[in-house]
Amino acid sequence: GAGVSQTPSNKVTEKGKYVELRCDPISGHTALYWYRQSLGQGPEFLIYFQGTGAADDSGLPNDRFFAVRPEGSVSTLKIQRTERGDSAVYLCASSLRLAGGPTDYNEQFFGPGTRLTVL
Amino acid sequence: TQLLEQSPQFLSIQEGENLTVYCNSSSVFSSLQWYRQEPGEGPVLLVTVVTGGEVKKLKRLTFQFGDARKDSSLHITAAQPGDTGLYLCAGPDKKTSYDKVIFGPGTSLSVIP
Repeated sequence: GAGVSQTPSNKVTEKGKYVELRCDPISGHTALYWYRQSLGQGPEFLIYFQGTGAADDSGLPNDRFFAVRPEGSVSTLKIQRTERGDSAVYLCASSLRLAGGPTDYNEQFFGPGTRLTVL
Repeated sequence: TQLLEQSPQFLSIQEGENLTVYCNSSSVFSSLQWYRQEPGEGPVLLVTVVTGGEVKKLKRLTFQFGDARKDSSLHITAAQPGDTGLYLCAGPDKKTSYDKVIFGPGTSLSVIP
């Protein structure tokens, strides 16, 4: 399909392990976002890429979290030394970054998410 | 800090009933978006409201943006089981120059056949 895809859909790991979560955005979308959604909450911003560079990583909770987008398309969210508190659904979204005014909004298209469970 | 609150947190109704859910903030937003998220899926944008007092309709869903642009409501007429899901409101983070949005915690709606 032409939507945002994320793999794996589910990931179960043990405390202390390293995990990688992958996001394939919609072709041609230059903007890419990662969010984390805990049960009963709305998505929480983690990081924003414009092209290959991380333009805003202010939402990453600590230095165990890192994300890359080396060719400006696929992105990988990496979590080192996982903790039980990292358990959540990790969502990826992409959009066309178009110039616009303060009330213009470029729709973000979300993937289905990766459910991460840290035992 | 811009925060969005939503009420109620949970809502369970019978098919055919009407309902309204609310999104509130103490901050002014230039626009607000409403999303619906179904289990195992990402949020899908339903509507963006931009002008204070604006009303938008999407079939049985009516969205209103408050005059002061601090709140919004979503009214569903004759709810159907297919309306079941998590309804999220979101608004742009005024501290950024890109499309970073702040989400509310959502209202989980269950429509019982």
